[in-house]
Amino acid sequence: GDSVTQMEGPVTLSEEACLTINCTYTATGYPSLFWYVQYPGEGLQLLLKATKADDKGSNKGFEATYRKETTSFHLEKGSVQVSDSAVYFCALSKNGNQFYFGTGTSLTVIP
Amino acid sequence: GAVVSQHPSWVICKSGTSVKIECRSLDFQATTMFWYRQFPKQSLMLMATSNEGSKATYEQGVEKDKFLINHASLTLSTLTVTSAHPEDSSFYICSARRQGTEKLFFGSGTQLSVL
Repeated sequence: GDSVTQMEGPVTLSEEACLTINCTYTATGYPSLFWYVQYPGEGLQLLLKATKADDKGSNKGFEATYRKETTSFHLEKGSVQVSDSAVYFCALSKNGNQFYFGTGTSLTVIP
Repeated sequence: GAVVSQHPSWVICKSGTSVKIECRSLDFQATTMFWYRQFPKQSLMLMATSNEGSKATYEQGVEKDKFLINHASLTLSTLTVTSAHPEDSSFYICSARRQGTEKLFFGSGTQLSVL
Protein backbone atom coordinates (compact mmCIF):
# COMPACT_ATOMS: atom_id res chain seq x y z
CA GLY A 1 0.00 0.00 0.00
CA ASP A 2 0.90 3.67 -0.08
CA SER A 3 3.33 4.84 2.56
CA VAL A 4 5.88 7.47 3.48
CA THR A 5 9.24 6.83 5.10
CA GLN A 6 10.84 9.74 6.80
CA MET A 7 14.21 10.25 8.39
CA GLU A 8 14.07 9.65 12.10
CA GLY A 9 15.06 12.35 14.49
CA PRO A 10 15.62 14.10 16.59
CA VAL A 11 17.83 16.46 14.64
CA THR A 12 19.80 19.17 16.41
CA LEU A 13 21.55 21.88 14.42
CA SER A 14 23.28 25.13 15.12
CA GLU A 15 21.78 28.30 13.75
CA GLU A 16 22.68 28.93 10.09
CA ALA A 17 23.50 25.27 9.47
CA CYS A 18 22.15 23.42 6.44
CA LEU A 19 19.15 21.17 6.88
CA THR A 20 18.06 18.10 4.96
CA ILE A 21 15.26 15.83 6.14
CA ASN A 22 14.89 12.80 3.93
CA CYS A 23 11.52 11.53 2.78
CA THR A 24 10.78 8.70 0.39
CA TYR A 25 7.42 7.37 -0.60
CA THR A 26 5.70 4.32 -2.01
CA ALA A 27 2.56 4.87 -4.00
CA THR A 28 0.70 3.70 -7.05
CA GLY A 29 -0.37 6.37 -9.47
CA TYR A 30 0.58 10.00 -9.13
CA PRO A 31 0.35 11.31 -5.59
CA SER A 32 0.79 14.86 -4.43
CA LEU A 33 3.53 15.30 -1.85
CA PHE A 34 3.52 17.57 1.17
CA TRP A 35 5.59 18.78 4.05
CA TYR A 36 3.70 19.80 7.17
CA VAL A 37 5.21 21.52 10.19
CA GLN A 38 4.03 21.53 13.78
CA TYR A 39 5.43 24.25 15.98
CA PRO A 40 5.30 23.68 19.75
CA GLY A 41 1.74 23.90 21.04
CA GLU A 42 0.23 24.46 17.61
CA GLY A 43 -1.51 22.38 14.98
CA LEU A 44 0.00 20.98 11.84
CA GLN A 45 0.43 23.58 9.11
CA LEU A 46 1.15 23.03 5.47
CA LEU A 47 4.71 24.11 4.77
CA LEU A 48 4.94 23.30 1.08
CA LYS A 49 3.68 20.89 -1.53
CA ALA A 50 4.31 19.57 -5.02
CA THR A 51 1.69 17.99 -7.19
CA LYS A 52 3.71 16.43 -10.02
CA ALA A 53 7.13 15.10 -10.86
CA ASP A 54 9.96 17.65 -10.95
CA ASP A 55 7.82 20.29 -9.23
CA LYS A 56 9.61 22.18 -6.50
CA GLY A 57 7.66 23.37 -3.50
CA SER A 58 9.10 26.26 -1.51
CA ASN A 59 8.13 28.36 1.47
CA LYS A 60 9.93 30.26 4.25
CA GLY A 61 13.30 29.29 2.78
CA PHE A 62 12.45 25.59 2.73
CA GLU A 63 12.42 23.66 -0.53
CA ALA A 64 11.56 20.15 -1.65
CA THR A 65 11.61 18.69 -5.15
CA TYR A 66 9.30 15.89 -6.25
CA ARG A 67 11.63 13.24 -7.65
CA LYS A 68 9.74 10.42 -9.26
CA GLU A 69 12.84 8.50 -10.30
CA THR A 70 14.00 8.21 -6.70
CA THR A 71 10.50 8.44 -5.16
CA SER A 72 11.78 11.15 -2.87
CA PHE A 73 10.72 14.53 -1.54
CA HIS A 74 13.56 15.65 0.71
CA LEU A 75 13.12 18.87 2.68
CA GLU A 76 16.02 21.32 2.55
CA LYS A 77 16.94 24.69 3.95
CA GLY A 78 20.23 26.41 3.47
CA SER A 79 20.40 28.25 6.78
CA VAL A 80 18.15 27.31 9.68
CA GLN A 81 16.99 29.64 12.42
CA VAL A 82 15.99 29.01 16.01
CA SER A 83 12.40 29.71 14.98
CA ASP A 84 12.51 26.68 12.66
CA SER A 85 12.54 24.37 15.67
CA ALA A 86 9.47 22.17 15.17
CA VAL A 87 8.34 18.73 14.09
CA TYR A 88 8.22 18.18 10.34
CA PHE A 89 5.96 15.64 8.67
CA CYS A 90 6.23 14.38 5.13
CA ALA A 91 2.96 13.22 3.58
CA LEU A 92 1.37 12.06 0.38
CA SER A 93 -2.15 12.12 -0.93
CA LYS A 94 -3.72 10.92 -4.14
CA ASN A 95 -7.20 12.26 -3.80
CA GLY A 96 -6.95 15.05 -1.27
CA ASN A 97 -8.88 13.00 1.24
CA GLN A 98 -6.61 10.29 2.51
CA PHE A 99 -3.20 11.39 3.61
CA TYR A 100 -0.32 9.11 4.47
CA PHE A 101 2.11 10.69 6.90
CA GLY A 102 5.64 9.90 7.89
CA THR A 103 6.56 9.53 11.53
CA GLY A 104 7.67 13.14 11.91
CA THR A 105 11.15 14.53 12.47
CA SER A 106 11.83 16.78 15.41
CA LEU A 107 14.23 19.61 14.66
CA THR A 108 15.90 21.70 17.33
CA VAL A 109 18.01 24.66 16.29
CA ILE A 110 20.36 26.04 18.89
CA PRO A 111 21.75 29.56 18.85
CA GLY B 1 -5.61 32.26 8.91
CA ALA B 2 -8.04 29.46 9.49
CA VAL B 3 -7.93 27.86 12.90
CA VAL B 4 -8.97 24.45 14.07
CA SER B 5 -9.37 24.12 17.79
CA GLN B 6 -8.99 20.66 19.25
CA HIS B 7 -9.52 19.86 22.84
CA PRO B 8 -8.62 18.69 25.30
CA SER B 9 -4.92 18.79 24.47
CA TRP B 10 -4.26 15.99 26.90
CA VAL B 11 -6.38 13.71 28.99
CA ILE B 12 -5.72 10.95 31.49
CA CYS B 13 -8.53 8.55 32.24
CA LYS B 14 -9.20 5.25 33.93
CA SER B 15 -9.64 2.08 31.96
CA GLY B 16 -13.29 1.50 31.04
CA THR B 17 -14.28 5.14 30.87
CA SER B 18 -15.19 7.08 27.74
CA VAL B 19 -13.38 10.12 26.49
CA LYS B 20 -14.68 12.73 24.08
CA ILE B 21 -12.38 14.83 21.93
CA GLU B 22 -13.73 17.88 20.14
CA CYS B 23 -12.54 19.40 16.91
CA ARG B 24 -13.90 22.82 15.92
CA SER B 25 -13.25 24.97 12.92
CA LEU B 26 -13.32 28.45 14.39
CA ASP B 27 -13.65 30.73 11.40
CA PHE B 28 -14.71 28.54 8.51
CA GLN B 29 -17.16 25.82 7.66
CA ALA B 30 -15.78 22.35 7.25
CA THR B 31 -17.75 19.87 5.21
CA THR B 32 -15.21 17.13 5.86
CA MET B 33 -13.18 16.36 8.95
CA PHE B 34 -10.57 13.69 9.45
CA TRP B 35 -9.37 11.89 12.53
CA TYR B 36 -5.84 10.54 12.84
CA ARG B 37 -4.01 8.56 15.48
CA GLN B 38 -0.30 8.31 16.11
CA PHE B 39 1.30 5.69 18.30
CA PRO B 40 4.79 6.43 19.61
CA LYS B 41 7.40 6.33 16.87
CA GLN B 42 4.84 5.45 14.25
CA SER B 43 3.19 7.40 11.48
CA LEU B 44 0.03 9.37 11.73
CA MET B 45 -2.70 6.98 10.61
CA LEU B 46 -6.07 7.98 9.29
CA MET B 47 -8.85 6.53 11.42
CA ALA B 48 -11.94 7.91 9.78
CA THR B 49 -13.39 10.55 7.53
CA SER B 50 -16.55 12.33 8.54
CA ASN B 51 -18.84 14.41 6.42
CA GLU B 52 -21.32 16.76 8.00
CA GLY B 53 -24.68 15.14 8.46
CA SER B 54 -23.68 11.65 7.44
CA LYS B 55 -22.04 8.61 8.96
CA ALA B 56 -18.29 8.52 9.20
CA THR B 57 -16.24 6.28 6.95
CA TYR B 58 -13.80 4.22 8.95
CA GLU B 59 -10.48 2.86 7.77
CA GLN B 60 -9.86 -0.83 7.84
CA GLY B 61 -9.05 -2.09 11.30
CA VAL B 62 -10.68 0.82 13.12
CA GLU B 63 -13.65 -0.24 15.24
CA LYS B 64 -16.56 2.08 14.60
CA ASP B 65 -18.33 1.05 17.81
CA LYS B 66 -15.28 1.93 19.84
CA PHE B 67 -14.41 5.19 18.15
CA LEU B 68 -17.65 7.06 17.75
CA ILE B 69 -17.50 10.02 15.44
CA ASN B 70 -20.17 12.66 15.26
CA HIS B 71 -20.12 15.52 12.78
CA ALA B 72 -23.35 17.24 13.59
CA SER B 73 -22.51 20.68 12.25
CA LEU B 74 -20.23 22.35 9.77
CA THR B 75 -17.92 23.50 12.53
CA LEU B 76 -17.78 20.62 14.99
CA SER B 77 -16.75 16.99 14.92
CA THR B 78 -16.28 14.83 17.98
CA LEU B 79 -14.44 11.59 18.53
CA THR B 80 -15.51 9.52 21.50
CA VAL B 81 -13.27 6.70 22.62
CA THR B 82 -15.69 4.36 24.39
CA SER B 83 -14.59 2.04 27.18
CA ALA B 84 -11.01 3.13 26.77
CA HIS B 85 -8.20 0.71 27.50
CA PRO B 86 -4.46 1.28 27.91
CA GLU B 87 -3.85 0.20 24.32
CA ASP B 88 -5.95 3.17 23.19
CA SER B 89 -3.35 5.51 24.66
CA SER B 90 -2.17 7.52 21.71
CA PHE B 91 -1.97 10.93 20.11
CA TYR B 92 -5.17 11.84 18.27
CA ILE B 93 -5.34 14.70 15.81
CA CYS B 94 -8.11 16.07 13.67
CA SER B 95 -8.11 18.03 10.47
CA ALA B 96 -10.83 19.97 8.70
CA ARG B 97 -11.31 20.78 5.06
CA ARG B 98 -12.58 24.28 4.41
CA GLN B 99 -15.84 24.14 2.49
CA GLY B 100 -15.35 24.73 -1.22
CA THR B 101 -11.57 24.27 -1.14
CA GLU B 102 -8.99 21.55 -0.89
CA LYS B 103 -7.25 23.24 2.02
CA LEU B 104 -6.80 21.23 5.17
CA PHE B 105 -6.27 22.67 8.62
CA PHE B 106 -5.14 20.62 11.57
CA GLY B 107 -5.91 20.74 15.24
CA SER B 108 -3.08 20.68 17.74
CA GLY B 109 -3.78 17.13 18.83
CA THR B 110 -4.88 15.31 21.97
CA GLN B 111 -2.60 13.06 23.96
CA LEU B 112 -4.73 10.35 25.57
CA SER B 113 -3.33 8.25 28.38
CA VAL B 114 -5.47 5.43 29.70
CA LEU B 115 -4.44 4.01 33.07
